[in-house]
Amino acid sequence: AIQLTQSPSSLSASVGDRVTITCRASQGISSALAWYQQKPGKAPKLLIYDASSLESGVPSRFSGSGSGTDFTLTISSLQPEDFATYHCQQFNSYPFTFGPGTKVDIK
Amino acid sequence: EVQVVESGGGLVQPGRSLRLSCTASGFTFGDYAMSWFRQAPGKGLEWVGFIRSKAYGETTEYAASVKGRFTISRDDSKSIAYLQMNSLKTEDTAVYYCTRGGLVPASYWGQGTLVTVSS
Repeated sequence: AIQLTQSPSSLSASVGDRVTITCRASQGISSALAWYQQKPGKAPKLLIYDASSLESGVPSRFSGSGSGTDFTLTISSLQPEDFATYHCQQFNSYPFTFGPGTKVDIK
Repeated sequence: EVQVVESGGGLVQPGRSLRLSCTASGFTFGDYAMSWFRQAPGKGLEWVGFIRSKAYGETTEYAASVKGRFTISRDDSKSIAYLQMNSLKTEDTAVYYCTRGGLVPASYWGQGTLVTVSS
């Protein structure tokens, strides 16, 4: 199974900060990667698919990049509603594994 | 509006069975694969598996952790997907989510249903 690692596992940031989260795959997955945001007690919300395509309705401050094994999620200017946990997931091969998550909280 | 609603969770003893349901609305259910995910308390997300549409033979894929114990099925006439869970283990304790789609990232999630496996 393809393993995904995320870094950092958690970070503290302020409103307005630029935030970058990295997801690394144990083998190449082309661009078959998605990013989700999850708030406590809620279902995940799709932000990015195909590594860099913005899901409809998601603010443009979110962006994704990368291909192969290294991917990033960037929030250009952190807003109060962005404090959450972010998960990456690969769709290249079964099982469709997730990264362990990155928790973004308030500094 | 696309909606999926999970139901059927609860407290069950180890070794017993439980069936979850996912009732969908707002789209032509039979045209889509349906997936199940889970999240253990305080842990990350885990893909459980999915079932393809009838057009693709209603074939299924499963995570290794549940293969042979869990079965995903569907009833297109009722717009319901099922997750039959047998030989449950304490490590199956989680919130179980249903989503539309199989081979693509999940845009539509239900609210989840909690399954607790404990004696």
